[in-house]
Amino acid sequence: QMQLVESGGRVVQPGWSLRLSCVASGFPFSNYGMHWVRQAPGKGLEWVAVTWYDGAKKYYADSVKGRFAISRDNSKNTLFLEMDNLRAEDTAVYYCARAPKATPAADAFDIWGPGTMVTVSS
Amino acid sequence: SSELTQPPSVSVSPGQTARITCSGDALPKQYAYWYQQKPGQAPVVVIYKDTERPSGIPERFSGSSSGTIVTLTISGVQSEDEADYYCQSADSSGTSWVFGGGTKLTVL
Repeated sequence: QMQLVESGGRVVQPGWSLRLSCVASGFPFSNYGMHWVRQAPGKGLEWVAVTWYDGAKKYYADSVKGRFAISRDNSKNTLFLEMDNLRAEDTAVYYCARAPKATPAADAFDIWGPGTMVTVSS
Repeated sequence: SSELTQPPSVSVSPGQTARITCSGDALPKQYAYWYQQKPGQAPVVVIYKDTERPSGIPERFSGSSSGTIVTLTISGVQSEDEADYYCQSADSSGTSWVFGGGTKLTVL
């Protein structure tokens, strides 16, 4: 059974840093590109970042560029999102999601985790 | 990246047909995807590449495309179809992905 499980979300203060993790199982993690997508409370979905299967290429939404960093450890089937200088507007459920292929193109998110909640508040 | 516009809400009675539209300038050039999200759950793909239905998705879900508008159609709506629906596309370079604002489908 293909599965993604996120962890690391918690309440932090503005300006703090946080690292989220996403552990994959049931499929060859190193063969797929991976994304982070977030959803603020009561709001819609927002794409955050993507990494190719080997981590060679990474792209970010303008709203997080320069503050967030996506990475992966294929030996541990784990995806990460390092978030620095957090702001109130970063408060959201963060989902990791799989791309259908190794080098994501204009395609979908075919497997999603249940999400982890990040709250940025003083 | 291009924006995608959806109506905030659509309401239908059980057994009727629901149509949810998504408009965007890039849609004639890029595929659109549709997701269903129920409260407290992660999204699930119900239509990919404009018109294709993944295995396990009921046949009452279908997609179509015409110019700058893509449409998700749910025929014979059931109460279990009440959810938020999002369209999604991406730029051709594979460096940016975008979602529509979402449509809340209410089954009366």
